[in-house]
Amino acid sequence: GQNIDQPTEMTATEGAIVQINCTYQTSGFNGLFWYQQHAGEAPTFLSYNVLDGLEEKGRFSSFLSRSKGYSYLLLKELQMKDSASYLCAVSGDRGSTLGRLYFGRGTQLTVWP
Amino acid sequence: DTEVTQTPKHLVMGMTNKKSLKCEQHMGHRAMYWYKQKAKKPPELMFVYSYEKLSINESVPSRFSPECPNSSLLNLHLHALQPEDSALYLCASSQGLAVPSGANVLTFGAGSRLTVL
Repeated sequence: GQNIDQPTEMTATEGAIVQINCTYQTSGFNGLFWYQQHAGEAPTFLSYNVLDGLEEKGRFSSFLSRSKGYSYLLLKELQMKDSASYLCAVSGDRGSTLGRLYFGRGTQLTVWP
Repeated sequence: DTEVTQTPKHLVMGMTNKKSLKCEQHMGHRAMYWYKQKAKKPPELMFVYSYEKLSINESVPSRFSPECPNSSLLNLHLHALQPEDSALYLCASSQGLAVPSGANVLTFGAGSRLTVL
């Protein structure tokens, strides 16, 4: 089975740094994605990790530890527009999991002024 | 063109109606997906098409019928739905199932919000 866990809600203030954690237990693994979804809108791709380590992309960074089944998304210099749901998703690698993207329930981030 | 276009944006239908949701992409993607998303929940995979052939059906009830007329179009035909089927239906596309997953990033459409009365 697939189990992806992330906190339901987080709050932070403008200009701060926030880290959203994601742990996973999946029967296959072919990479971990982070998507951002504003209310009523489509999810948009933020980052991808398949090897251990940190991937940095502007204000956003994502980290992966495959041995620990753990990832985090780090958002720096928070802006009000970063208020959104952040979805952690694991890609299946073979057989019945190929082509499947298993989503966590999403972390609703609220950024206060 | 880097978009996935879904129509209609909103749909209200009765339980005896027949309607269709449409999805279009012109990025040359060979995999297309239907997801269902309820409020404050993650997207749930329904169907995957790869090279216009149905690759995955996540045990979706037969009142949902997907169709992929060509590599750019994906439809979801709806018939005899239940009120609990009310949700946001998201279409997505990606390069293809056989590419490395890092290249297989899903591009989502804005969704069709369905209300079943």
